[in-house]
Amino acid sequence: GAGVSQSPSNKVTEKGKDVELRCDPISGHTALYWYRQSLGQGLEFLIYFQGNSAPDKSGLPSDRFSAERTGGSVSTLTIQRTQQEDSAVYLCASSRLAGGGTDTQYFGPGTRLTVL
Amino acid sequence: QQQVKQSPQSLIVQKGGISIINCAYENTAFDYFPWYQQFPGKGPALLIAIRPDVSEKKEGRFTISFNKSAKQFSLHIMDSQPGDSATYFCAASIIDTNAGKSTFGDGTTLTVKP
Repeated sequence: GAGVSQSPSNKVTEKGKDVELRCDPISGHTALYWYRQSLGQGLEFLIYFQGNSAPDKSGLPSDRFSAERTGGSVSTLTIQRTQQEDSAVYLCASSRLAGGGTDTQYFGPGTRLTVL
Repeated sequence: QQQVKQSPQSLIVQKGGISIINCAYENTAFDYFPWYQQFPGKGPALLIAIRPDVSEKKEGRFTISFNKSAKQFSLHIMDSQPGDSATYFCAASIIDTNAGKSTFGDGTTLTVKP
């Protein structure tokens, strides 16, 4: 595809519900990242997938957060039992080379999650 | 502990002026420092990046100045234009171990007045 795509663009949910956010990386990109961007703040790293290696989950804020990447392509970020503090923009990024620390990360437009 | 501190939080510059955004880091292991530009409703996009083996990098109107001893780096936008109005994020990462996992500053909202 032309770039990283994310869906939905906006999600409003009630406290306690589960949500799934989807990311379609650029075709051929082996690395995929999830970040969270709260209002007026920078990006907070959540999780990183690199090829077939075990993901780096060190940024996940609680066990309510999980992510999968199927077939080395599409990724889904799941938040269980959502809380109001989960409200943020969730950004996905991909880069071409696995483990390439200087590779350009291409970001999607994000999913704005609002937990009522 | 915030590893990358960015200032100012917001900046207003007249068209044609110089915009300067500063970042300071604490972890001396950081060895890659990108800057991102983000327009409303869009994801961040890489603008320019520097490694600590050079003190300055210039690309068009955008320049990164890097001071390794002070653990500081800054973005200079020369001849600022209204189209440069956006939020700018500095970031830092460790190339070999973090594999691109970046620590971001809190962002600077730049407004360039015509």
